[in-house]
Amino acid sequence: NAGVTQTPKFQVLKTGQSMTLQCAQDMNHEYMSWYRQDPGMGLRLIHYSVGAGITDQGEVPNGYNVSRSTTEDFPLRLLSAAPSQTSVYFCASSETGAKNIQYFGAGTRLSVL
Amino acid sequence: AQTVTQSQPEMSVQEAETVTLSCTYDTSENNYYLFWYKQPPSRQMILVIRQEAYKQQNATENRFSVNFQKAAKSFSLKISDSQLGDTAMYFCAFKRYNQGGKLIFGQGTELSVKP
Repeated sequence: NAGVTQTPKFQVLKTGQSMTLQCAQDMNHEYMSWYRQDPGMGLRLIHYSVGAGITDQGEVPNGYNVSRSTTEDFPLRLLSAAPSQTSVYFCASSETGAKNIQYFGAGTRLSVL
Repeated sequence: AQTVTQSQPEMSVQEAETVTLSCTYDTSENNYYLFWYKQPPSRQMILVIRQEAYKQQNATENRFSVNFQKAAKSFSLKISDSQLGDTAMYFCAFKRYNQGGKLIFGQGTELSVKP
């Protein structure tokens, strides 16, 4: 049972480079989210999606783009990486209905030099 | 806007003892969910316990229990019979009732269980 799969696990970028963090879930969840984790600040929501074709901004969306063409996939794009985007990134998914529990991927550690 | 505050950046406890982690939150909502997540050194986020605001009964999961005080907007986590494997960062999180996919996290409390 794969759950939420994030790739890559580690990445080093140079300032100005672009890249896409991949996220896939096999639980048929409608909701998917991206968070970043920085020391002393907990996890902060970047973007989220309530279903295929529907996305919205979270608390810290600047510098990131998302799209949701399928229920399973929710990639996060950095168009021009900056050192301030050095962080650990988590993707999560959750079902609709009463439980509303978010399941997290293993995270991607990104360093921007 | 909702906020979640964990005022204890670090805590330590002796193995087999009991420890309580604090969490307060601010919201004008009446229906919502509260969660405690555990993040061990592996970095994986693991759900520990969940509380629905409309339920007065405190949630329990084996050695983990919460003290949910809705009027005081307080949601503390009690870990009984602490084990070395409980060493981790613990995050308190809030979610509005009808807002799937949007968790608001506290800053985290780093718990060390000492042998």
